[in-house]
Amino acid sequence: GAVVSQHPSWVICKSGTSVKIECRSLDFQATTMFWYRQFPKQSLMLMATSNEGSKATYEQGVEKDKFLINHASLTLSTLTVTSAHPEDSSFYICSASGTGGNYGYTFGSGTRLTVV
Amino acid sequence: RKEVEQDPGPFNVPEGATVAFNCTYSNSASQSFFWYRQDCRKEPKLLMSVYSSGNEDGRFTAQLNRASQYISLLIRDSKLSDSATYLCVVTGDSGYALNFGKGTSLLVTP
Repeated sequence: GAVVSQHPSWVICKSGTSVKIECRSLDFQATTMFWYRQFPKQSLMLMATSNEGSKATYEQGVEKDKFLINHASLTLSTLTVTSAHPEDSSFYICSASGTGGNYGYTFGSGTRLTVV
Repeated sequence: RKEVEQDPGPFNVPEGATVAFNCTYSNSASQSFFWYRQDCRKEPKLLMSVYSSGNEDGRFTAQLNRASQYISLLIRDSKLSDSATYLCVVTGDSGYALNFGKGTSLLVTP
């Protein structure tokens, strides 16, 4: 079945540094990548949607200059948290959709980010 | 009003019990509906899609009522391994992005 590999699984970084999270689709072409964030005891909140080769569309309240999304190929999308602060500590997870649109969402295993 | 609302629980049930979860959604234009399961600190995993006619997969039965904008999940003969958080998920206006409820926590005890 479809697999999305997400790295790193967890990361601890210092305040003010940047962290890059990668999601790779291993056996299908991810035309659309969704990036979510989940705080403890909260639902997954969509941060942005990116289509390969296009600029990402960010949800209201998500700073595009802080959360940089790159989806330059059909198998790789990255999320960079720039100038991270403790309030950015969260569980970040990607979900890829292949050709055909709104079916077949495949989730990465998530990245637990802790900013100290 | 949140787009997808669920009772957070927790639901504590003994093994073998039947348990039902409910969910309501606010966007009448939503097209696709799902139940996902999420274990602690893990990614969500698709449990089943939900169709208007209702559908069953083993011990799991899902129902959709579009008029009431209401979705349900019934788990029969609960197993210890069913302990998890169950997420009600609905597609939004674009038809692509998933909107997640906060989830309902289930704990099945021996």
